[in-house]
Amino acid sequence: DAGVIQSPRHEVTEMGQEVTLRCKPISGHDYLFWYRQTMMRGLELLIYFNNNVPIDDSGMPEDRFSAKMPNASFSTLKIQPSEPRDSAVYFCASSPGQGRIEKLFFGSGTQLSVL
Amino acid sequence: EDKVVQSPLSLVVHEGDTVTLNCSYEVTNFRSLLWYKQEKKAPTFLFMLTSSGIEKKSGRLSSILDKKELFSILNITATQTGDSAVYLCAARTGPYNYGQNFVFGPGTRLSVLP
Repeated sequence: DAGVIQSPRHEVTEMGQEVTLRCKPISGHDYLFWYRQTMMRGLELLIYFNNNVPIDDSGMPEDRFSAKMPNASFSTLKIQPSEPRDSAVYFCASSPGQGRIEKLFFGSGTQLSVL
Repeated sequence: EDKVVQSPLSLVVHEGDTVTLNCSYEVTNFRSLLWYKQEKKAPTFLFMLTSSGIEKKSGRLSSILDKKELFSILNITATQTGDSAVYLCAARTGPYNYGQNFVFGPGTRLSVLP
């Protein structure tokens, strides 16, 4: 298996621009998570999906952030408009789910810099 | 609010030393405790613990969980420079038949000097 695949690996953009991060989870995994990591706040959960349905989005900072999972093999995290404080590493992770080996498998992350 | 705390936050040792990293948690619907190692990129899985008192071991690394006192430790013996990383502890939570979440601690940054 190729693992969790994220794109792009790096994104540099200017304040006010729209940013879209992409994720392909491991095939057969029921759960997909979006995390943000900064030095100050560590790994923070933004949102997670179960079978493509958003379950908990209480970690999404504000309305500028949105996430979708149109099918079992693809998810996006969108920031519009982006701000410098959004600069962080964004990780996507997937998990098999109930009754199976329930641990997180992480993608390589997207390093986002908003100038 | 679910919370995971790790200590120390930073640790510098010399090769050959033994280190103990600590993780305590306060979460609802606790299901398991996981340890990850993060070098430059994505966290990689080390251990998952679900039962108290049963030590998990992998080479020089070992971990144990105490569900009564709500903590776990990660031991690394005979440390090597390749052990330098951030070690993350996470508590998996959620009602058994609906949903799950992983709450991460801030991590312990371990530096092993030659």
